[in-house]
Amino acid sequence: LAKTTQPISMDSYEGQEVNITCSHNNIATNDYITWYQQFPSQGPRFIIQGYKTKVTNEVASLFIPADRKSSTLSLPRVSLSDTAVYYCLVVGGGGFKTIFGAGTRLFVKA
Amino acid sequence: GAVVSQHPSWVICKSGTSVKIECRSLDFQATTMFWYRQFPKQSLMLMATSNEGSKATYEQGVEKDKFLINHASLTLSTLTVTSAHPEDSSFYICSARDGDRATAGELFFGEGSRLTVL
Repeated sequence: LAKTTQPISMDSYEGQEVNITCSHNNIATNDYITWYQQFPSQGPRFIIQGYKTKVTNEVASLFIPADRKSSTLSLPRVSLSDTAVYYCLVVGGGGFKTIFGAGTRLFVKA
Repeated sequence: GAVVSQHPSWVICKSGTSVKIECRSLDFQATTMFWYRQFPKQSLMLMATSNEGSKATYEQGVEKDKFLINHASLTLSTLTVTSAHPEDSSFYICSARDGDRATAGELFFGEGSRLTVL
């Protein structure tokens, strides 16, 4: 399983765009890149997933360069409620066995 | 999206007793479920992979006799912490994969169960 590396923490202000980058140098051909959000004392919640190029949904965008060795989660116009820990995961093509890295603790200030 | 429910959401028990935590997929069938534990301000640590109808696969360092996992149906997996001790106090989280969904890597997580052993 590919190991992931993210910044430990990030600070932002309300209304700003936040970009969190994750490194996954050993990603395999069949692996997907998935991001989760976790609030204290809750289970993680799926945000977005991608394989290559760019993926966008109603809450975030995911940018993946051609070599797929990194990815960037983009949160547009964050609010205080986006304060959480964000995890980047590399998941096998079969979707099995997910290993969580340390995650990025995002703190959004007013 | 799909829903995974855990019960109980929190439990307090005496040292030496056993505690069972249930994980249910409410609107889909899950042949595979995962169990994690999470200590304060730390990441989730995968404990084991629960396979319906067969034995669970435990991660290195996780005692299978201590953490009993049963996945008797396609919608239910249970984790039993046997002879619990204070060091077993943690936040236990399960997740499940909906095999019918197109998104390969998407997992659905339960709300978590906080265990406190006195």
